[in-house]
Amino acid sequence: GENVEQHPSTLSVQEGDSAVIKCTYSDSASNYFPWYKQELGKRPQLIIDIRSNVGEKKDQRIAVTLNKTAKHFSLHITETQPEDSAVYFCAASSLMDTGRRALTFGSGTRLQVQP
Amino acid sequence: DAGITQSPRHKVTETGTPVTLRCHQTENHRYMYWYRQDPGHGLRLIHYSYGVKDTDKGEVSDGYSVSRSKTEDFLLTLESATSSQTSVYFCAIRGDSNNEQFFGPGTRLTVL
Repeated sequence: GENVEQHPSTLSVQEGDSAVIKCTYSDSASNYFPWYKQELGKRPQLIIDIRSNVGEKKDQRIAVTLNKTAKHFSLHITETQPEDSAVYFCAASSLMDTGRRALTFGSGTRLQVQP
Repeated sequence: DAGITQSPRHKVTETGTPVTLRCHQTENHRYMYWYRQDPGHGLRLIHYSYGVKDTDKGEVSDGYSVSRSKTEDFLLTLESATSSQTSVYFCAIRGDSNNEQFFGPGTRLTVL
């Protein structure tokens, strides 16, 4: 099955700096890569996603890049703010035995933005 | 929040007792998922459903069963709870036409 590795596990940046979180996946058939943000005690919230036919996608201060050849994708947050502090999860959509797709998640990155 | 609710939101139970968690959606989405979240492991798929009475196992399905008798409800049952099943359980839904998956508020389960 799919295996998604995420780095770093913790990341501390100063307010205004950029933050980058990286993920690698193993299944070359994976075709959809979402990123979720989870604040303490809350549900994961989808913040951005990318499909395998696109190399980069941007939404205001966040962007995601995908390198299908190397099987890795990254989340970039620019001009970080204290409210960006949360745990971020990457995921990859892969085929299950039924032929249906399901998400496999990375283990998460705790981002702390220091004011 | 995408019309998903989970019940109960918190539960404390004892080892060996059966437990059922409920996920309810108002979006009429076809796909529903149960995950557990533990420190250092992210979200791991327990079971998923691709329609009424159509379910299949995820990566950590041992000790869990599910049922989906109608579109809006997806039940997760721990037949005989163990301490290793202490976790936060999230339900998620996905529509037919896109890949976006949305999560419920979660259920914190403690097995003593």
